[in-house]
Amino acid sequence: EDQVTQSPEALRLQEGESSSLNCSYTVSGLRGLFWYRQDPGKGPEFLFTLYSAGEEKEKERLKATLTKKESFLHITAPKPEDSATYLCAVGRASKIIFGSGTRLSIRP
Amino acid sequence: EPEVTQTPSHQVTQMGQEVILRCVPISNHLYFYWYRQILGQKVEFLVSFYNNEISEKSEIFDDQFSVERPDGSNFTLKIRSTKLEDSAMYFCASSDPGGGAVDTQYFGPGTRLTVL
Repeated sequence: EDQVTQSPEALRLQEGESSSLNCSYTVSGLRGLFWYRQDPGKGPEFLFTLYSAGEEKEKERLKATLTKKESFLHITAPKPEDSATYLCAVGRASKIIFGSGTRLSIRP
Repeated sequence: EPEVTQTPSHQVTQMGQEVILRCVPISNHLYFYWYRQILGQKVEFLVSFYNNEISEKSEIFDDQFSVERPDGSNFTLKIRSTKLEDSAMYFCASSDPGGGAVDTQYFGPGTRLTVL
């Protein structure tokens, strides 16, 4: 069965304290791994797409990496405005399957 | 920057009533999707739509649900007879046709459906 598991469920960091979020997956016929940001009451906002093991992408303080079984979202020197839920999702046929997300809170 | 829009932002309805949720996908996109998110739970796939027909649907997408592209810009989700458990955020998404991989899906802001 296709599965996407994110850890931790919640993470509280001090401003400037770097960390990583994990996404492990089992899916037959992976067709892309996606990271989204979701603010309360809003739709998922696209961050990154990764297609093959070893691929990395960066945007401002965020960097996403991919291996054959998991992906990491590294956040460097976060700011309070980075507080949100970060969603990992995998592409399968014509749909994407989401994980439960990591709720990230950055204290000033 | 192009974006997916959805209306209404909040819909309140009585159990058993029909509702239509509307979406305007990004203009050059050809694949369209509906997802839902029950409060505090995961985003769940409902249906994908391409070339005026359903490409894939989940177990949730039963006979009470239907989708339509009534014109060149709108994409709708109809729930024929709403149930209490249909209360959720409904998200529309669209993607650009690309190569063999699943294309990045861009999501709208959602419609909050409350069934009383």
